[in-house]
Amino acid sequence: DSGVTQTPKHLITATGQRVTLRCSPRSGDLSVYWYQQSLDQGLQFLIQYYNGEERAKGNILERFSAQQFPDLHSELNLSSLELGDSALYFCASSVAASGNTGELFFGEGSRLTVL
Amino acid sequence: GENVEQHPSTLSVQEGDSAVIKCTYSDSASNYFPWYKQELGKRPQLIIDIRSNVGEKKDQRIAVTLNKTAKHFSLHITETQPEDSAVYFCAASLNYGGSQGNLIFGKGTKLSVKP
Repeated sequence: DSGVTQTPKHLITATGQRVTLRCSPRSGDLSVYWYQQSLDQGLQFLIQYYNGEERAKGNILERFSAQQFPDLHSELNLSSLELGDSALYFCASSVAASGNTGELFFGEGSRLTVL
Repeated sequence: GENVEQHPSTLSVQEGDSAVIKCTYSDSASNYFPWYKQELGKRPQLIIDIRSNVGEKKDQRIAVTLNKTAKHFSLHITETQPEDSAVYFCAASLNYGGSQGNLIFGKGTKLSVKP
């Protein structure tokens, strides 16, 4: 158990719909990262938050948005869903403080299926 | 931004043989290079990492080497065992001010160890 909690574990929805994925980081971790894993694309970095503020942005579509709340949990919102958005979405957290090891701790992922 | 290339995409070895996975990165400012192992249906987990001030690091049967000049790093697994079968991801990131930047992953190598 990494200490990172993601909900829901599985989600099936239709094209055009909107979903929200939720992540609770490990206790004490200030950074939250979102990654998308598709079969042929590996782990694609989407976005990073640090202590409530956006820190870095990767290949995140405009239809996707995220935020980190004061209690440090994060949500990834996916809208106007397309078939190609079907993937496993991972949240990860890290200490992100001076002297840290640099390790990311991943949650179990949220598997999104768009029909 | 950073781009990480990983080879081979699949690797099959006999139990007891060695396995080598190679990665190259594009941003010469990157200074942190972890390797993650993802077993089928599981989350990625850190197995070893190396920083740019070190050329080689070893942990039991696993070793990582880094060539900063050539901007490539490699994972070496010796005396492979069936439980080493998994997908391995290399990654690169820039750590700044004591905190960790976002990790950019390679596309992964599926390692199969045949008994």
